[in-house]
Amino acid sequence: SQTIHQWPATLVQPVGSPLSLECTVEGTSNPNLYWYRQAAGRGLQLLFYSVGIGQISSEVPQNLSASRPQDRQFILSSKKLLLSDSGFYLCAWSAPTGGGNQPQHFGDGTRLSIL
Amino acid sequence: AQSVAQPEDQVNVAEGNPLTVKCTYSVSGNPYLFWYVQYPNRGLQFLLKYITGDNLVKGSYGFEAEFNKSQTSFHLKKPSALVSDSALYFCAVRSYNFNKFYFGSGTKLNVKP
Repeated sequence: SQTIHQWPATLVQPVGSPLSLECTVEGTSNPNLYWYRQAAGRGLQLLFYSVGIGQISSEVPQNLSASRPQDRQFILSSKKLLLSDSGFYLCAWSAPTGGGNQPQHFGDGTRLSIL
Repeated sequence: AQSVAQPEDQVNVAEGNPLTVKCTYSVSGNPYLFWYVQYPNRGLQFLLKYITGDNLVKGSYGFEAEFNKSQTSFHLKKPSALVSDSALYFCAVRSYNFNKFYFGSGTKLNVKP
């Protein structure tokens, strides 16, 4: 069966420090991968998605970047964190084939607090 | 463009009563619709998906969803609510090229004993 791992679960970082959040998927090949941010326990904002190694689509211009160095690894980074980067970050994957009715599957998220 | 809307920020229901969480959609082409649940400090969990031709779709934990093409709705239902159903619920639609998902703003369900 497929599993998704996301770490760390919580992170407290000072303003101006770098960031690296990692997400890995097991049990599937060539998944679509996604990073979302959720503010105040509400709506999801799509940050980046990837349909293959090295292929990154950015949805919102901001202080963050994403990379996909391996098929099932997705990394969210920042060189200098801002206070506004605080939030709950969620990684997700979906099957690229099999029709449109294949859902997304989410990791357990990273709670990022910027001080 | 694909989109979904959840008109209610919050739904309150007593334990044992039926519950409905509303979702309307706007799509071009076939609607690929989903419901997810989120508990505090956790990721979203997949509940169910629309299957073409089925107006009533059954999912996890006793939830079901009613698809209505004329009203462009995909409401989440459960015949008898549990306190443990209290959570945040999201409706979503998959984009026409299957690469992106569009989520509603979420509905907080409160089930009171």
